[in-house]
Amino acid sequence: SQTIHQWPATLVQPVGSPLSLECTVEGTSNPNLYWYRQAAGRGLQLLFYSVGIGQISSEVPQNLSASRPQDRQFILSSKKLLLSDSGFYLCAWTPGQGGETQYFGPGTRLLVL
Amino acid sequence: GQQVMQIPQYQHVQEGEDFTTYCNSSTTLSNIQWYKQRPGGHPVFLIQLVKSGEVKKQKRLTFQFGEAKKNSSLHITATQTTDVGTYFCAVYMDSNYQLIWGAGTKLIIKP
Repeated sequence: SQTIHQWPATLVQPVGSPLSLECTVEGTSNPNLYWYRQAAGRGLQLLFYSVGIGQISSEVPQNLSASRPQDRQFILSSKKLLLSDSGFYLCAWTPGQGGETQYFGPGTRLLVL
Repeated sequence: GQQVMQIPQYQHVQEGEDFTTYCNSSTTLSNIQWYKQRPGGHPVFLIQLVKSGEVKKQKRLTFQFGEAKKNSSLHITATQTTDVGTYFCAVYMDSNYQLIWGAGTKLIIKP
């Protein structure tokens, strides 16, 4: 069966520090991968998605970037965090080639101080 | 671009009362999905509807897709504390592999 992992679970970082969040999927190949951010009490904002290794589409211009160095690994990064980067970061996957249901990881809670 | 409007933003109910959330679109939808996010948790897929007028049930949850495929609803009968959370609708766009999400409805059980 397929599983999705995210780490760390929680993170407190100072403004201006770098960020690296990792997401990995097991038990499937060539998934579509997604990064979302959710502010407290709010909806889901799509940040990036990827349909293959090295293929990244950005939905929101900001100081975040994403990379997909391996088929089942998706990384969210920042060189310098802003206060507004605080939130709940969720990684999700769907089966490639038309999979419609998204399966979410447990998320990372990021607090920028 | 495609948008889905979800209402209400919050709904406070007494335990045992019913709950309903609605999603509406100005354009015809090819499908609609529903997800539940428990407090502190991640969204979990509940169901997908694709046919005009479709009605599906999962125990106390009833999902409907409108005849014109422009609206959908989720109704919970006799709410329980385990139903607490935020319910999202979402539409899959096969043009770009994305889900277009509603803003969510938060179900709150009054003490």
